[in-house]
Amino acid sequence: GENVEQHPSTLSVQEGDSAVIKCTYSDSASNYFPWYKQELGKRPQLIIDIRSNVGEKKDQRIAVTLNKTAKHFSLHITETQPEDSAVYFCAASRIPTFGRGTSLIVHP
Amino acid sequence: EAQVTQNPRYLITVTGKKLTVTCSQNMNHEYMSWYRQDPGLGLRQIYYSMNVEVTDKGDVPEGYKVSRKEKRNFPLILESPSPNQTSLYFCDSSSGSPHNEQFFGPGTRLTVL
Repeated sequence: GENVEQHPSTLSVQEGDSAVIKCTYSDSASNYFPWYKQELGKRPQLIIDIRSNVGEKKDQRIAVTLNKTAKHFSLHITETQPEDSAVYFCAASRIPTFGRGTSLIVHP
Repeated sequence: EAQVTQNPRYLITVTGKKLTVTCSQNMNHEYMSWYRQDPGLGLRQIYYSMNVEVTDKGDVPEGYKVSRKEKRNFPLILESPSPNQTSLYFCDSSSGSPHNEQFFGPGTRLTVL
């Protein structure tokens, strides 16, 4: 089955800085890579996704890149704001296997 | 308004007492899933359904059952709950590609004593 590793587990940045979260996956057949944001006490929320026929996708301040050869994908958040503070999860495949999450803390 | 609902939101029960957690969506989505979330382990899929009467096991199906008799509902059944099933449970629904949209329910916090 699929195995997803996510790093770092905790990321602390200053407001306005960029944040990068990285995930690797094991199953070369995986073709769908979503990212979720979960604020404290709330449900996960799909924020961006990328499919295997695309190398990069951007939506305002967030972007995701995919390297299928190396089997890794990354979430990039630019100009971070305190409201970006949350736990972020990556996942691989249409029936998802999740990473263990990254707690992002944005200091004002 | 697009919505996924779960009931109950909180439940404390005892070992062996059968329980059902309901999940309902109003978006006519084909895909529905159940996950459990445990500290340090992230989200793990229990069961998923790709359409009515089509269900399959996820990563951690032991001790759980599901059914999908109608498109909008996907209940999670614990026939004989045990303390290791104490967890936060989420269901979700999603449309198929290419216009994928996915929504999670609000979560059900289950404690099995």
